[in-house]
Amino acid sequence: SYELTQPSSVSVSPGQTARITCSGDVLGKKYARWFQQKPGQAPVLVIYKDNERPSGIPERFSGSSSGTTVTLTISGAQVEDEADYYCYSAADNNLGVFGGGTKLTVL
Amino acid sequence: EVQLVESGGGLVQPGGSLRLSCAASGFTFSSYAMSWVRQAPGKGLECVSAISGSGGTTYYADSVKGRFTISRDNSKNTLYLQMNSLRAEDTAVYYCPVVTGEGGDYWGQGTLVTVSS
Repeated sequence: SYELTQPSSVSVSPGQTARITCSGDVLGKKYARWFQQKPGQAPVLVIYKDNERPSGIPERFSGSSSGTTVTLTISGAQVEDEADYYCYSAADNNLGVFGGGTKLTVL
Repeated sequence: EVQLVESGGGLVQPGGSLRLSCAASGFTFSSYAMSWVRQAPGKGLECVSAISGSGGTTYYADSVKGRFTISRDNSKNTLYLQMNSLRAEDTAVYYCPVVTGEGGDYWGQGTLVTVSS
């Protein structure tokens, strides 16, 4: 089965750059998406196709890929960016897989 | 505007059954694969099942295979998840997200399923 590995938590001060990694063999073959989820809310897509940003997502959110690791970067993190972040990739069987999630703390 | 409204959740005893529904609007429902994703309390996201636009192909996570059945009625723009032999570990919020294109990723607010005696 496919697995995606993320750090359980990342902490930065406001204005600093936050980086969240996601590793897995499938990322060498498939694009990744990143979701932001705040408490009590549904996930929101912030990055797709490894590094594309949907309309309405602030420019401080960016994505990159290298081999079997993708990285979500939040440049100049804001307090409102505090949330759980999940990477996702589609598997060959069309049932995708999520990473375990990373709790981003901005304080 | 794309809208997804999940319903059918509730409290059920272990071993019981529930059928979840997802009413979709704002896009050509039959053109897109649909899926069910769940999130147990305080836990991460898990892909549970997926179905092709025509309904002819289905996929299941090992954790639900043989117990859950995904289906769709394209004439009613509705997705279903029949859940049988429910277990405590099936307790979660269930979402029915859809990807309609590059950057087009939509989620409803989910429906809570609680399996408890």
